[in-house]
Amino acid sequence: GQNIDQPTEMTATEGAIVQINCTYQTSGFNGLFWYQQHAGEAPTFLSYNVLDGLEEKGRFSSFLSRSKGYSYLLLKELQMKDSASYLCAVRNYNTDKLIFGTGTRLQVFP
Amino acid sequence: DAGVTQSPTHLIKTRGQHVTLRCSPISGHKSVSWYQQVLGQGPQFIFQYYEKEERGRGNFPDRFSARQFPNYSSELNVNALLLGDSALYLCASSLDLASGRAGETQYFGPGTRLLVL
Repeated sequence: GQNIDQPTEMTATEGAIVQINCTYQTSGFNGLFWYQQHAGEAPTFLSYNVLDGLEEKGRFSSFLSRSKGYSYLLLKELQMKDSASYLCAVRNYNTDKLIFGTGTRLQVFP
Repeated sequence: DAGVTQSPTHLIKTRGQHVTLRCSPISGHKSVSWYQQVLGQGPQFIFQYYEKEERGRGNFPDRFSARQFPNYSSELNVNALLLGDSALYLCASSLDLASGRAGETQYFGPGTRLLVL
């Protein structure tokens, strides 16, 4: 089966750096996605990793280690608007469906 | 460019009724997937359609059905509604199937919030 684990909640201060971890177990790995979801809104795509290493996109970076079944999302220079849930999702090689974790609710304080 | 659109945005139904939710994918996208998101949880996969054919089904009862039209838009139907069907229903579109290939990303619509009383 497939299983995704990520922390339920995290807090951080404006301007700081926060790392949200995600561990997964899956057969036929074909990519790991991070989505941001503000309360009451749809998930918006942040990043995609299929090979080991770090992908950087402005203030957001995502890292993947396939051998460890591990990923993290790194948010730098935190802003109040970054308060949201961050969803980790993996995709199986043979299907298109995304298996989501429960999401990490991040609260950024002034 | 228009993103994924869904209608209606909100819906209130009573137990036993049925509901039809609609989704229009991003222009040029051929694949549509439906997800159910209960409050406090991540989205759960319901269906995927590609070129009008069902390509994947999640662990949902037969009360849930869907179809895709020639213009790639899609409908999700839920019969005999239960209180537990109250959720945000998300539609996601992607350009093509990702099976065996990397890089295909699913983009989500704003969702339909369904409340069953």
